Order: sequence, then structure tokens, then C-alpha cells
Amino acid sequence: AAGVIQSPRHLIKEKRETATLKCYPIPRHDTVYWYQQGPGQDPQFLISFYEKMQSDKGSIPDRFSAQQFSDYHSELNMSSLELGDSALYFCASSPLTVGQETQYFGPGTRLLVL
Amino acid sequence: AQTVTQSQPEMSVQEAETVTLSCTYDTSENNYYLFWYKQPPSRQMILVIRQEAYKQQNATENRFSVNFQKAAKSFSLKISDSQLGDTAMYFCAFTYTYSGAGSYQLTFGKGTKLSVIP
Repeated sequence: AAGVIQSPRHLIKEKRETATLKCYPIPRHDTVYWYQQGPGQDPQFLISFYEKMQSDKGSIPDRFSAQQFSDYHSELNMSSLELGDSALYFCASSPLTVGQETQYFGPGTRLLVL
Repeated sequence: AQTVTQSQPEMSVQEAETVTLSCTYDTSENNYYLFWYKQPPSRQMILVIRQEAYKQQNATENRFSVNFQKAAKSFSLKISDSQLGDTAMYFCAFTYTYSGAGSYQLTFGKGTKLSVIP
């Protein structure tokens, strides 16, 4: 079965640089969630999109922005990167109707800020 | 605010034995969902099992089952016939509809690191 695709899988950036993370949800899933997992921590919700509109917002820094496109893929844009942004970033998707509360996670993007 | 507590940071179990991971949560909501996710060393987040709060019957998925006690706000995971591949961090997670579709953000516990010993 098709899964959530995230790219790139690994990313190394310098402080103050920008990064763009991409997420392709499972086919026929129209809702996307972004989470950040720091070393040794549990995942923290950042932001979500439903039908290409932002649906909910968590602890996402103002330096980060995200959007969902017409093909339902989503991008997380991170600017002025800081050392503390080093983390594993997950995208998860859920279906439109039945089971919309259940999220399926991608493999994550490991971001290292030097 | 919803909170999820996993009181066992680490656990170990012998291969083929049974182990139970604990999870408690706090919420004022009546309709919600609970999940167990597994995160192996690859750090992929894998859905293990889900429970709907309005269903009294405990969920079961092969060797994995839950003991859902709504009044006690407890949601434990039992793994039977433990296998080496079960070695992972296990996260308990909670959600309900905050404000409509696309708002099922997950709140996670701190996780329990399970080691299956040969």
C-alpha cells in the first residue's frame, strides 16, 4: 500500500539558512499534519491543512510557514534556521471521511542545523 | 488542555513473553480517540492500534491489544508473544476534534522504550 512520502530524508543546513521540506500524502488523503520531534522527545504538533486550507496551528515558530497545494502535497518552509531547529520532522496524512482521526506518518526528514 | 502520561520510561521483556505498557490521560472531552504508535530505531512512526472512546470493546490487532478503562482514563497496551522486532519506543497518543475537519492534532506521551531480550 502507498505510504506518505517525505523529501528530502536528510538535510544539513547552516544557521540562518532556509529549508523546504516536502510531503506527499497517501492517495485520497486530503488532510496533512506536520510534527517536530527533537532528540529524545515526543513529537510536537506544528500545523495542519485540510482541503488546502490551514485547519489548525500548534507550536510553530513565526519563522516557519507551510501550505498545501492543489495536488494535496504540502511544504514546510523554515527560514533563519537556528541550532534548536535540528530535529526530525514528520508529515502525517489522514483520509477525508471514515477514519479521519487516524494519522499515518511518513518516514520523516532529519534536519541538522550547524 | 489534554495530557498523556506514560510512567514507564523503559521496560524489557523476554522473547515470547507478554508485556504491558501503561498510559493515562487527562481530558474533559467525552468523545476522543487513543492510539499507540511504535517508533523503532529507524525512527519511523508506525500505527499499532487505535481505540474510539465511545466503544467499550477493547481493540485488538494480532498480538497487540489494549485495556481501555474510560472512567479511570487509562489505556494500556499488551504485547503477547514478544518478538525481537517489537524492540522500539512506544508512544501513547490522544486526539479529539478541536475545531472541525483537519483538527485531529495528536498529543503524545513521553514514550516507553521497550527492549525485547533474546
